[in-house]
Parts: sequence; C-alpha cells; structure tokens
Amino acid sequence: GESVGLHLPTLSVQEGDNSIINCAYSNSASDYFIWYKQESGKGPQFIIDIRSNMDKRQGQRVTVLLNKTVKHLSLQIAATQPGDSAVYFCAEIPGYSTLTFGKGTMLLVSP
Amino acid sequence: DAGVIQSPRHEVTEMGQEVTLRCKPISGHDYLFWYRQTMMRGLELLIYFNNNVPIDDSGMPEDRFSAKMPNASFSTLKIQPSEPRDSAVYFCASSKRASFNSPLHFGNGTRLTVT
Repeated sequence: GESVGLHLPTLSVQEGDNSIINCAYSNSASDYFIWYKQESGKGPQFIIDIRSNMDKRQGQRVTVLLNKTVKHLSLQIAATQPGDSAVYFCAEIPGYSTLTFGKGTMLLVSP
Repeated sequence: DAGVIQSPRHEVTEMGQEVTLRCKPISGHDYLFWYRQTMMRGLELLIYFNNNVPIDDSGMPEDRFSAKMPNASFSTLKIQPSEPRDSAVYFCASSKRASFNSPLHFGNGTRLTVT
C-alpha cells in the first residue's frame, strides 16, 4: 500500500557515494515516467524521464532504471553531492492522462 | 527564461476570507496545472487547462475552490471562503502541447496559511 503520514522515507548518504532512490508505481498502463527533485521552498524540478519502451536512461550523473515486470522505478545518482539533498518524487503518466506523483523520498547528503 | 511565476509567495489569511492565487505559465506552453501539496497527501492535482479551457477539475476539493484562465499567460485559483484545512503549498505548472514526453515545469508555489 502507499505510505501515508508525516514521515517521508529518508536516505542518508555520504558525499561522494552513489545513491539509489526507489519507487513502486501502481498503474501497469503507465507508459511515461519522470523523476523530480524538490528543494526546500521550491517547486519540483525535472531531472530525467523514461518511456515504457526503455529500461534504462542516463543523464548527467543520473540514471533511471525501469522494471515493468515488477512496476519498479529507480533513480541512481553518481558521486552524490550536498547540493543533491532534496526530496525526490517519481511520477507516472498512464497513456494521455495526467501526471500522478508518488509520496517522495528525502535524500540527505553529509559532507 | 523566466519560468512559471506564482504570486504571492506567502499568504496568511483568516478563516472565511477570500484568497486568490496567481500564475503566469511559460510562454508557448499550452497546458496549465494547479497542484496542492501537503505532508499528509503529497502532491494532488486540482485542475488543469488546455489552451485556456478547463479539461479536468475532478481534483478540486469543493465548490469553495474555483480556477480560471482568461488568457494564455494568466491563471487564478480562488478559495472562497477559506478554511484552516486549506492550508498548504499551491503549485502552478505548465507544459508544452502534448503531456506525453513533455515534463511539467513548476513555479515555486504559494504557501497558504488559513488561521
């Protein structure tokens, strides 16, 4: 079931480590997925997206992996930096419907 | 590029008062979305417009909420009368013609506090 309540899942890492943030999506009809980063006091910011006909996509320091069999999405951040500290959301779009956001994961990076 | 611009950044009002939130989308974007964010419920879609026309308002919580888009460069979200449970951060976002493969660009939000 989905997480409910005041506490976001939190991932704490050391600067320079690789981070992996996971997301389980709910709709098997979803064919487009996006990762957003939200810093304190700001709106969500686009990081990377992937279509359902792909299982991996790479950007600058970030990689998104998609496993449609188990409806799982992950965001890998290489050489994590303090500036990467934020809440990360996965979002899915079933067909031509609208974006549905997950609950988010907080990433804390220690120097 | 100015990005999506929202005003005000913060709004504090008393229960029963009318609140109007404003949004200027990115020029050339045909879709405009209003989201609400709370710790309990996360990001919820309230309503979205395509070419200034409301397409889906099923997320608008009650009749106290209304949204308009009089032209391609301006939208408002109005709450009348406001209640303490409306306290949240309200985001406006815009995207290009097709939502598929066209990520939403968000403003920095309006933090609403209703006392």
